[in-house]
Amino acid sequence: DAKTTQPPSMDCAEGRAANLPCNHSTISGNEYVYWYRQIHSQGPQYIIHGLKNNETNEMASLIITEDRKSSTLILPHATLRDTAVYYCIGRLMTGNNRKLIWGLGTSLAVNP
Amino acid sequence: DSGVTQTPKHLITATGQRVTLRCSPRSGDLSVYWYQQSLDQGLQFLIQYYNGEERAKGNILERFSAQQFPDLHSELNLSSLELGDSALYFCASSEDARGVGSPLHFGNGTRLTVT
Repeated sequence: DAKTTQPPSMDCAEGRAANLPCNHSTISGNEYVYWYRQIHSQGPQYIIHGLKNNETNEMASLIITEDRKSSTLILPHATLRDTAVYYCIGRLMTGNNRKLIWGLGTSLAVNP
Repeated sequence: DSGVTQTPKHLITATGQRVTLRCSPRSGDLSVYWYQQSLDQGLQFLIQYYNGEERAKGNILERFSAQQFPDLHSELNLSSLELGDSALYFCASSEDARGVGSPLHFGNGTRLTVT
């Protein structure tokens, strides 16, 4: 599974869009990009995943570049409850979750 | 609510002791994963069970063991505890049907403090 690179921390104003970048330049063609978040000391929460196309669900949007070397998670209207550590992870289509590489993620602070 | 239940939420014990952490996976999920997260560290994969059988081991110490029961709940046993074992222990489950991976769903963890 591909190694990913994320900025260690970001700030965002409440009500504004939070755009969290992730670099995965070594990702292979059959690896998904997964996003999870962890709110202080709680269990990580699945957000969204994608392969090539942009994806949107009730929580967020995922924009993947055409070359698939990077992606951006977008929280369209950040709230204080979105303050968390966000993890970007590459995973093979048929890959097992045991091989996921959990880095230190991006610590997002949403400010009032 | 992820549907994954972990008990107890907190555990305080002394060095040398043994504890058991329990996990009930989300309904319908066959895979259970155990992770350890020390202060300000990333998640470390310990062990995975699939439908009652051990599927993979990660960075799990020999003092630690786990099992998954016929009703699919799982227990993580930690023995001869050391101060360095103090951490958050998370259980996660996923469907993993037909060999295709699916998203992980995590419980809220057990915070273990070894004194």
